[in-house]
Amino acid sequence: NAGVTQTPKFQVLKTGQSMTLQCAQDMNHEYMSWYRQDPGMGLRLIHYSVGAGITDQGEVPNGYNVSRSTTEDFPLRLLSAAPSQTSVYFCASRLSGFGYNEQFFGPGTRLTVL
Amino acid sequence: KQEVTQIPAALSVPEGENLVLNCSFTDSAIYNLQWFRQDPGKGLTSLLLIQSSQREQTSGRLNASLDKSSGRSTLYIAASQPGDSATYLCAVTRKGGATNKLIFGTGTLLAVQP
Repeated sequence: NAGVTQTPKFQVLKTGQSMTLQCAQDMNHEYMSWYRQDPGMGLRLIHYSVGAGITDQGEVPNGYNVSRSTTEDFPLRLLSAAPSQTSVYFCASRLSGFGYNEQFFGPGTRLTVL
Repeated sequence: KQEVTQIPAALSVPEGENLVLNCSFTDSAIYNLQWFRQDPGKGLTSLLLIQSSQREQTSGRLNASLDKSSGRSTLYIAASQPGDSATYLCAVTRKGGATNKLIFGTGTLLAVQP
C-alpha cells in the first residue's frame, strides 16, 4: 500500500491564482480530511468527507473547496490564493467516520503564496 | 471546547536517557488519543493509538499511557537515540458532532544529543 499520497510537495503561487492540491489513498478508507499546519497554531481541520459525495466544513474552511467523487481521491482547491494561505497542508484518512479508527497522514504540501 | 496541551515545548537529552513527554486535554469525552512523530519538513507518522477504554499501549521502546479521567497522557521513550529527534504530537479524537475530528497539541520538539 502506498498509504496517503499528496501532490505536489512544494508549490509557489501568486496572490489571486487558483490551484488544486491532490490527495489519494489506497486503503479503501471512507473518511478523508484536510488540515493545515501553521507555526504556533498546530494542525487545524479545513474540510472533511465521510464518503464519496459527502463533504463538510471544518474549523477553517474559508477560501477552500473540496469534492469527493471517488473513495480514493479528495482534492483541495484554493479558489483565489492569499498570503494567509501560506502553510503546510496535510491530507489524512481513516477507515470510517467512527472516531475510534486510527488516522493516517500524507507527507504534506508546502504552499507559499506571494 | 477541547484543548490539548503538550509540555514541555522543547526538550534536549543525552543519548541513552529515558524520557517522558506529557499531553493533557480538557474534555474527557474522547474516542482515543494518538501520538505522532513529525520529522523536519515531513509528514506525521502515527506511533501509538490508545482507545479511551485502554490504559496503555506499547511499541518497541515506546510506551503511551492514558488517564482519561484526569485528562492526561504520557509518552515514555526508553534508551533514547539521536534518531528519536523529532517533534512529537498528541491528538485526541473528540466525541460528539459530525466530525469526530482530531484535535492536536502544538507538540514537543525533542533533541537527543549523541
